[in-house]
Amino acid sequence: GAGVSQSPSNKVTEKGKDVELRCDPISGHTALYWYRQSLGQGLEFLIYFQGNSAPDKSGLPSDRFSAERTGGSVSTLTIQRTQQEDSAVYLCASRRTGGDGYGYTFGSGTRLTVV
Amino acid sequence: AQTVTQSQPEMSVQEAETVTLSCTYDTSESDYYLFWYKQPPSRQMILVIRQEAYKQQNATENRFSVNFQKAAKSFSLKISDSQLGDAAMYFCAAIQGAQKLVFGQGTRLTINP
Repeated sequence: GAGVSQSPSNKVTEKGKDVELRCDPISGHTALYWYRQSLGQGLEFLIYFQGNSAPDKSGLPSDRFSAERTGGSVSTLTIQRTQQEDSAVYLCASRRTGGDGYGYTFGSGTRLTVV
Repeated sequence: AQTVTQSQPEMSVQEAETVTLSCTYDTSESDYYLFWYKQPPSRQMILVIRQEAYKQQNATENRFSVNFQKAAKSFSLKISDSQLGDAAMYFCAAIQGAQKLVFGQGTRLTINP
């Protein structure tokens, strides 16, 4: 597609439920990143995919968080047993690799609210 | 590890005036890239300008320009002739190699008509 697509745009869930957030990157972009942005804060790195593998998962806050990427394209971020502190905007970005430093293209994010 | 610091949580400027947003960073690498992103209420991060560390010339994009001071590890953004549509959160960011993009805390820019 023309841009990075994320779904759903907004998600309200009850504490303790599991949620899945989806990211559809730009076609041909091999690198994919997940970030979390809490209200009024900067972006916190969660995980990085190169193809289908995740060389850097250092930002995942707990074992309740997991992510996968299939076919070198769509990625899903799963949060199990959601807690209120998980409420945030989850942003996905993709970029082509090759060291060109052209930064990332971001999606519009999923706003997750845990009640 | 890279760190990026924005010391101005909020800034405001009169429409048509010039404003400068500050950013400092820390890295042990000699080759890296620096960025300014704009985040309007739509949440999407929009690339404003990028700077390659090995280039001494400051990047410019229309009304947006940077003052890149490599030795001081400073990377400020100047917005000239501010417009109402410039109102947003602005994030400074840095990347080295294939590593993750590291963001500052952001500066909320208000444009006063």
